[in-house]
Amino acid sequence: DQQVKQNSPSLSVQEGRISILNCDYTNSMFDYFLWYKKYPAEGPTFLISISSIKDKNEDGRFTVFLNKSAKHLSLHIVPSQPGDSAVYFCAASIRTGGSQGNLIFGKGTKLSVKP
Amino acid sequence: DTAVSQTPKYLVTQMGNDKSIKCEQNLGHDTMYWYKQDSKKFLKIMFSYNNKELIINETVPNRFSPKSPDKAHLNLHINSLELGDSAVYFCASSHRNEQYFGPGTRLTVT
Repeated sequence: DQQVKQNSPSLSVQEGRISILNCDYTNSMFDYFLWYKKYPAEGPTFLISISSIKDKNEDGRFTVFLNKSAKHLSLHIVPSQPGDSAVYFCAASIRTGGSQGNLIFGKGTKLSVKP
Repeated sequence: DTAVSQTPKYLVTQMGNDKSIKCEQNLGHDTMYWYKQDSKKFLKIMFSYNNKELIINETVPNRFSPKSPDKAHLNLHINSLELGDSAVYFCASSHRNEQYFGPGTRLTVT
């Protein structure tokens, strides 16, 4: 039973345009969400996160939006660059005592940004 | 200055063998983890250690055992390897919220 779902296995975007990666979750107890980026033969790299008390978090070209009622979050990359081509994983957790609990990952979306 | 390192990067072995994967972090983090990424690309947590105490142990076979000699190391020992153990294993560490991953160890059991 997948608690975190990324329904698009791949996405292709032109350089300079916006990339939107989507993620849905089923467990309403999740209160912390993260996006990781992964290049081939490397480990996932933390990109950006958002707490459930917020609906938006921005860091440079990356913005994460959270819609708790729809149990949906998205990652926007603007403008997209060829170096952004990677697999993007959505992850969710339930924090206890201010620390992160078990991370539940989605299956990933492979983003290709074409020059 | 790699933050989270794993050795070896590749490991090819035969069924029935016992093998270990080492992990070290130089971030001073309190918690370390082992994840398995299977052929379907799902990243699933196997274990975590906080101050040398096992705090999460998902339903993994007891052939897998984590060993933490100190706060900076969490090694993964696997006994009686099976074909289904073939996967990429990632080590990670965290202080509070974000986890930082190692480069992965690709284990192939033949």
